[in-house]
Amino acid sequence: GQSLEQPSEVTAVEGAIVQINCTYQTSGFYGLSWYQQHDGGAPTFLSYNGLDGLEETGRFSSFLSRSDSYGYLLLQELQMKDSASYFCAVTLEWGKLIFGQGTELSVKP
Amino acid sequence: NAGVMQNPRHLVRRRGQEARLRCSPMKGHSHVYWYRQLPEEGLKFMVYLQKENIIDESGMPKERFSAEFPKEGPSILRIQQVVRGDSAAYFCASSPPSGGRYEQYFGPGTRLTVT
Repeated sequence: GQSLEQPSEVTAVEGAIVQINCTYQTSGFYGLSWYQQHDGGAPTFLSYNGLDGLEETGRFSSFLSRSDSYGYLLLQELQMKDSASYFCAVTLEWGKLIFGQGTELSVKP
Repeated sequence: NAGVMQNPRHLVRRRGQEARLRCSPMKGHSHVYWYRQLPEEGLKFMVYLQKENIIDESGMPKERFSAEFPKEGPSILRIQQVVRGDSAAYFCASSPPSGGRYEQYFGPGTRLTVT
């Protein structure tokens, strides 16, 4: 089967940097994705790592280590609007996504 | 380019009734995925469809649930004889012909409440 572990809650202040870790156990792994969800709305894609290393997109970066079955999402220069749930998801065959339970990020002024 | 559309946005059904949830993928997208989300939980994969084909339904309950993606029209997720445990948010996502390995585009979801 597949399982993913990520912290349930993280709190940080505006302007800070926060890292959300994700460990996974799975078979048929293609890559690791990150999605953001505000207040139960439509999840939106943030990043995808198919290979080891760091991917950077603006204030967001994501890292993957296949050998350690580990990845993280790094958010820099936090803004209030970044308060949301963040999900790591393993990508399997056909693009099927297996999601973690989500990390609730609270950004304080 | 309109995004993924789902309707209805909210659906209330009494136990034993049928629920039909519709999903129109983004223009040009031929892959549709359905996910279910219970409160305070992550999304759970249900089924993956291409036009007129069910490719992977490993996440679908064996009974009462079915899905289709006809040649014309939206994808439909059908739940027969709903029970209280079916209350959840149901999201569909679409991806272009190359597949959803890299990015999937999600609709706003249908919130199903079974009374």
